[in-house]
Amino acid sequence: GAGVSQTPSNKVTEKGKYVELRCDPISGHTALYWYRQSLGQGPEFLIYFQGTGAADDSGLPNDRFFAVRPEGSVSTLKIQRTERGDSAVYLCASSLLAVVDPRLNTEAFFGQGTRLTVV
Amino acid sequence: GNSVTQMEGPVTLSEEAFLTINCTYTATGYPSLFWYVQYPGEGLQLLLKATKADDKGSNKGFEATYRKETTSFHLEKGSVQVSDSAVYFCALSASTGFQKLVFGTGTRLLVSP
Repeated sequence: GAGVSQTPSNKVTEKGKYVELRCDPISGHTALYWYRQSLGQGPEFLIYFQGTGAADDSGLPNDRFFAVRPEGSVSTLKIQRTERGDSAVYLCASSLLAVVDPRLNTEAFFGQGTRLTVV
Repeated sequence: GNSVTQMEGPVTLSEEAFLTINCTYTATGYPSLFWYVQYPGEGLQLLLKATKADDKGSNKGFEATYRKETTSFHLEKGSVQVSDSAVYFCALSASTGFQKLVFGTGTRLLVSP
């Protein structure tokens, strides 16, 4: 697609429920990132994939959060036993990381985010 | 750890006024520095970037210079327009290649006619 697509755009869920947030990156982008933006704050890094593997998951707040990218394209962020404090906008971004020629690297392009509200 | 501090908003200006949004950073090594902009109802967009000291990033009339001696990357524009109203985020990436970005809290700019 032309840009990074995230679905759904809005999600309201009850405390304790499980949710999945989907990200379709720009075609051909090898790197995919998840960020979380709380109200009035800047985005905070959660996890980064290079291809299918999670290269850096140091930003995941706890083991209720998990993300996958099984075929190296679409990614799903999964949150178990949601809490009200998980309410935020979840942003996905993608970029091209060219292993052979770093001059081809691009900046991160962001989707419009999924607004998650836990009630 | 790495961090970014930017001036709190909102910044309210009249059209054609001069804009400065301050940004300072703390990082080990030589990070790359970015300004992202979020227009109402849209996603984050890269506005400009600089990858080494004394580099100047520029785009759409906005400029920012990477100042290592003052650890700053202030955003400036000589004459703002109503269409520049948005939230501006300063960010850094300490890694080369992948974009593990550390963002500031954002500064809302409101430009009135």
